[in-house]
Amino acid sequence: DGGITQSPKYLFRKEGQNVTLSCEQNLNHDAMYWYRQDPGQGLRLIYYSQIVNDFQKGDIAEGYSVSREKKESFPLTVTSAQKNPTAFYLCASSILGRTGFGYTFGSGTRLTVV
Amino acid sequence: EDQVTQSPEALRLQEGESSSLNCSYTVSGLRGLFWYRQDPGKGPEFLFTLYSAGEEKEKERLKATLTKKESFLHITAPKPEDSATYLCAVAQETSGSRLTFGEGTQLTVNP
Repeated sequence: DGGITQSPKYLFRKEGQNVTLSCEQNLNHDAMYWYRQDPGQGLRLIYYSQIVNDFQKGDIAEGYSVSREKKESFPLTVTSAQKNPTAFYLCASSILGRTGFGYTFGSGTRLTVV
Repeated sequence: EDQVTQSPEALRLQEGESSSLNCSYTVSGLRGLFWYRQDPGKGPEFLFTLYSAGEEKEKERLKATLTKKESFLHITAPKPEDSATYLCAVAQETSGSRLTFGEGTQLTVNP
């Protein structure tokens, strides 16, 4: 079955560490997105990419980095510069030019700073 | 700046008690309005897309409607399995494929 796979499901980070969240899709979707979800704050866009080797900052990109070397993969690195990284991270994908289909989301990664 | 506001933040219903969730939006050039359902600890699941004022979409006990300023998600005779957070999002004509999400309404349906 086609879908988006996020791993790991749970991740613990020590102060000063960089960690990378994985996102892989086999839907042949063009665009991929990373959102952060905090309680009571909805989803906020971190980065998105509409084509391989290109990506754009979202509303809260500081302290995060991404790459898009393959169409299927869009990993997110949470750097030590992100001061409050504890959150639920969601990856999504979509078909460009097909607005009506909306996004397909992964099952999320819950990151906790210890 | 695009704004999406959902109300209420939380809603408790008895099984069979119909109600509506609201999504108010401020967007210059709406390209689409989306409703998603999110269960705890999971990613959102796509429900509907609405494009223009007057449009309606239905799925089982859910019906979404759209005006020029807001959208409603009507839930008819809800069941406990309808308990979830319902998210609204908008796409603007000049924002490419980006969606702006509201903060969601947490719905609890008691048996």
